[in-house]
Amino acid sequence: AQRVTQPEKLLSVFKGAPVELKCNYSYSGSPELFWYVQYSRQRLQLLLRHISRESIKGFTADLNKGETSFHLKKPFAQEEDSAMYYCALSRAGSYQLTFGKGTKLSVIP
Amino acid sequence: EAQVTQNPRYLITVTGKKLTVTCSQNMNHEYMSWYRQDPGLGLRQIYYSMNVEVTDKGDVPEGYKVSRKEKRNFPLILESPSPNQTSLYFCASSGTGDYNEQFFGPGTRLTVL
Repeated sequence: AQRVTQPEKLLSVFKGAPVELKCNYSYSGSPELFWYVQYSRQRLQLLLRHISRESIKGFTADLNKGETSFHLKKPFAQEEDSAMYYCALSRAGSYQLTFGKGTKLSVIP
Repeated sequence: EAQVTQNPRYLITVTGKKLTVTCSQNMNHEYMSWYRQDPGLGLRQIYYSMNVEVTDKGDVPEGYKVSRKEKRNFPLILESPSPNQTSLYFCASSGTGDYNEQFFGPGTRLTVL
């Protein structure tokens, strides 16, 4: 069975400080990893996916198969980054997503 | 505008009174799914559908039903709601060739008294 673990329920950082949201997964095959974000009172939306190797809103995430991790990073946090972040995993070619429990990021002005 | 819509957005009901939450998407997506979101538990999948007339259980299907008679609609039915079904519900859809990006509806906040 696949599993996604986000060890931090809440992460508070000061504006301008680096941010790292942790995500670890367990899956025996080749996973596809995603980060979804939910801003206050808004719907979930895709932030980025490992397969496209892009940087969105200054965030990046690298898939580390050896450590089975997909941590989300940003060098300088902004107040507008405050949100709920979910790491998610799917099997290659599958629509099914398994979500982690989420990390609430709070950026302190 | 491409989107997923849900109705109602807010609902307060009483135990045992049947209700339906509608979900509709205008992107011709094959895959649709229902999740519930609870504090500390994240998103948990209730049911999903790969296409018309094809539905399957997710991780927490007990107490819920779904149907997929048309490609665009995927209603969630609670035949006899109970207080433990008080939650925030999200519908999502996804189409082929999109690297599994799921598009979410705005959510339905359900309170069962």
